[in-house]
Amino acid sequence: DAGITQSPRHKVTETGTPVTLRCHQTENHRYMYWYRQDPGHGLRLIHYSYGVKDTDKGEVSDGYSVSRSKTEDFLLTLESATSSQTSVYFCAISESKGLAGGQETQYFGPGTRLLVL
Amino acid sequence: GENVEQHPSTLSVQEGDSAVIKCTYSDSASNYFPWYKQELGKRPQLIIDIRSNVGEKKDQRIAVTLNKTAKHFSLHITETQPEDSAVYFCAATPTGTASKLTFGTGTRLQVTL
Repeated sequence: DAGITQSPRHKVTETGTPVTLRCHQTENHRYMYWYRQDPGHGLRLIHYSYGVKDTDKGEVSDGYSVSRSKTEDFLLTLESATSSQTSVYFCAISESKGLAGGQETQYFGPGTRLLVL
Repeated sequence: GENVEQHPSTLSVQEGDSAVIKCTYSDSASNYFPWYKQELGKRPQLIIDIRSNVGEKKDQRIAVTLNKTAKHFSLHITETQPEDSAVYFCAATPTGTASKLTFGTGTRLQVTL
């Protein structure tokens, strides 16, 4: 499964508390992504990274921040969790293939189920 | 930004029949279109993808067709089996540096015996 792990796999937290989710890859891929999945919405991109310390916003970035200090780790932080952030969070990776293209093919981690009470 | 619509939201077919799921997209710059299958409680798994330089791609019982002029693409599953039951998602993105996939809302396929 493309060498991607996510931790924790399940978390219950209270409104207003900070939460950090971790995505770890062993593939040395350049690109990493965070999505959230909610019924009726499919998967929506939160933030993505195109290299160490290089990140950018996705479609639903409000209330989330990310950091990537090492190639293998991409952290997603909810600074002050709200009930609307209850969701399943998926990390994904894709490979840089230079001029050959193909970096758009994404592989997903196992997901983190987050419940904010 | 890109908007991807997917239909139907649920689809029930008998084992051995064919299933077709359709998606439309809005951004003419999109040129990569993957399909993911997600079983209950599992991660989305890439099953097939197509790029805009081809109109059709097949892999055993699954095929994807693309009509760039009409901005729609479809997933075709033939000879369906119970293990095909899952939620299927289409997605679209322009290619370039990082790909920012925009997903459809999913189709729940049920294959009945």
